[in-house]
Amino acid sequence: GQNIDQPTEMTATEGAIVQINCTYQTSGFNGLFWYQQHAGEAPTFLSYNVLDGLEEKGRFSSFLSRSKGYSYLLLKELQMKDSASYLCAVPITGGGNKLTFGTGTQLKVEL
Amino acid sequence: KAGVTQTPRYLIKTRGQQVTLSCSPISGHRSVSWYQQTPGQGLQFLFEYFSETQRNKGNFPGRFSGRQFSNSRSEMNVSTLELGDSALYLCASSPTTSGGAGEQFFGPGTRLTVL
Repeated sequence: GQNIDQPTEMTATEGAIVQINCTYQTSGFNGLFWYQQHAGEAPTFLSYNVLDGLEEKGRFSSFLSRSKGYSYLLLKELQMKDSASYLCAVPITGGGNKLTFGTGTQLKVEL
Repeated sequence: KAGVTQTPRYLIKTRGQQVTLSCSPISGHRSVSWYQQTPGQGLQFLFEYFSETQRNKGNFPGRFSGRQFSNSRSEMNVSTLELGDSALYLCASSPTTSGGAGEQFFGPGTRLTVL
């Protein structure tokens, strides 16, 4: 089976850096996704990691360690609009688009 | 390119009724997946369709069913509604069914309330 854990809530200050962690347990591994979801809206794709290391994309970076079953999403230069839920998800192996999601980390950015 | 569209956006039903939700994927996308999102359980996978065939199924009772048409549009049906079925139902489309590399694009969802 698959199991994903991430913190429920985090609070950070505008302009700061925040790291959102995700640990996972899967019977196989086929990459890891991060999605952002603003309240009342659809999740939107942020990143996909399949190899170990850091992937940088503007203010957002995502890190993966397959040996540790661990990923994090790093948000730099936080803006108020970054207040949202951040979802970690892993796909099943063997084909298909089934994603198992963590419960999401609600990030609140304050002044 | 237009995004994933879902209809209706909001729906109120009573216990025991049935409901049908519709999803139109991004043009050219053949994979459509459905998810249920609730505050307590988060996003949970219902099922995936590809080329009119169910590829994967989540752990939901048989009251939840779906289908896909030749134009890739998909519908999901919930029969004998229960209060616990109140949720946001999200549809996601993907150009592939290759799993890991297949980024999924989500629609705005249908908010179902069961009274």
